[in-house]
Amino acid sequence: DTGVSQNPRHKITKRGQNVTFRCDPISEHNRLYWYRQTLGQGPEFLTYFQNEAQLEKSRLLSDRFSAERPKGSFSTLEIQRTEQGDSAMYLCASSLEAGGYTFGSGTRLTVV
Amino acid sequence: DAKTTQPPSMDCAEGRAANLPCNHSTISGNEYVYWYRQIHSQGPQYIIHGLKNNETNEMASLIITEDRKSSTLILPHATLRDTAVYYCIVRATGNQFYFGTGTSLTVIP
Repeated sequence: DTGVSQNPRHKITKRGQNVTFRCDPISEHNRLYWYRQTLGQGPEFLTYFQNEAQLEKSRLLSDRFSAERPKGSFSTLEIQRTEQGDSAMYLCASSLEAGGYTFGSGTRLTVV
Repeated sequence: DAKTTQPPSMDCAEGRAANLPCNHSTISGNEYVYWYRQIHSQGPQYIIHGLKNNETNEMASLIITEDRKSSTLILPHATLRDTAVYYCIVRATGNQFYFGTGTSLTVIP
């Protein structure tokens, strides 16, 4: 296992387009998290899954954002009708239920 | 989760010990102190965590005061590759990690 994998590493999109990011967690980890990080700030929690169930969503996760984790393995984060304010690094992390997080390298989104 | 306070930036000479402080005066009894670091353009990397006792691993040492209101992360022999943003987080088991803005450590040759 090579850790948490995120694809793509970079994405440039035009305002108004939809984008989807993928996260492949460490295989035995049952929890998966999405965070967003803007320049100069620490990562901000968006949502997390335990297995396939989405258990918590931050108020940062507007209705244009949707996350899924079918079958409790990989996860996708979709942003519809992107806005320039969505430009950020989107980080995925996974963990065992009570453990520390292992983060991926992130997907950097630029909305032009 | 309790909030933490860290200096925004610090410098350290290469080869010397880097001591990064963190205040967490409102920490609860069941909250652990975690340290992560983030090198430019990468995801945060786990360093160490502790509850009450001092902890040491191959990367760093964590010193927690007796009243648990503050802690210090020690990198014993800083290298240029230790230049990063260091985050101190207090967190109860099962809760999310809430990151602040961290301390930007620059190791100077």
